[in-house]
Amino acid sequence: DTAVSQTPKYLVTQMGNDKSIKCEQNLGHDTMYWYKQDSKKFLKIMFSYNNKELIINETVPNRFSPKSPDKAHLNLHINSLELGDSAVYFCASSPGGKPQHFGDGTRLSIL
Amino acid sequence: SQKIEQNSEALNIQEGKTATLTCNYTNYSPAYLQWYRQDPGRGPVFLLLIRENEKEKRKERLKVTFDTTLKQSLFHITASQPADSATYLCAIATSGTYKYIFGTGTRLKVLA
Repeated sequence: DTAVSQTPKYLVTQMGNDKSIKCEQNLGHDTMYWYKQDSKKFLKIMFSYNNKELIINETVPNRFSPKSPDKAHLNLHINSLELGDSAVYFCASSPGGKPQHFGDGTRLSIL
Repeated sequence: SQKIEQNSEALNIQEGKTATLTCNYTNYSPAYLQWYRQDPGRGPVFLLLIRENEKEKRKERLKVTFDTTLKQSLFHITASQPADSATYLCAIATSGTYKYIFGTGTRLKVLA
């Protein structure tokens, strides 16, 4: 039974398109995160929600918009995709600030 | 500026030996430090957490030390096995925040 699941696993799209990535956790955690891992494997936090409230909003272009409809879901919408957006995007959840459980990532490729 | 650095080069060791990975940080006062393992194509998996007032933590073949004076954490895997081959990430968080900053990771390869 997958704890943190992301869809899709792979996303290949053209520059300029708009796309969404979905994340769901069944662990009952109150905090969820989005991370970006670039080609050098550097994992960088983008956003975090605690009980549906945005608590971390890093320096991310406003083309990226997270949405948390409830505690178990955190989606990421990206407008006007650019080549530099190509990366692996990871969703994670945790009970408060405790150790995080990660999904297996969404590999986004911009053509 | 704030930095978290791990051995940038891959670490190759012989099966059965102890692997030691380093995490150094500057301009942080972490309350917690965590270690994660990441396999190719997978998300990071939590291994151990150590608090600022703890010197050492152990879990089975894993040991983490935390020296706030040296601003360094060491991660040891004793009796290493080829299955321990992976990338290991350290992450720190300051008190009162849910924000973890990750290091660049060290790729470990255990040779049979």
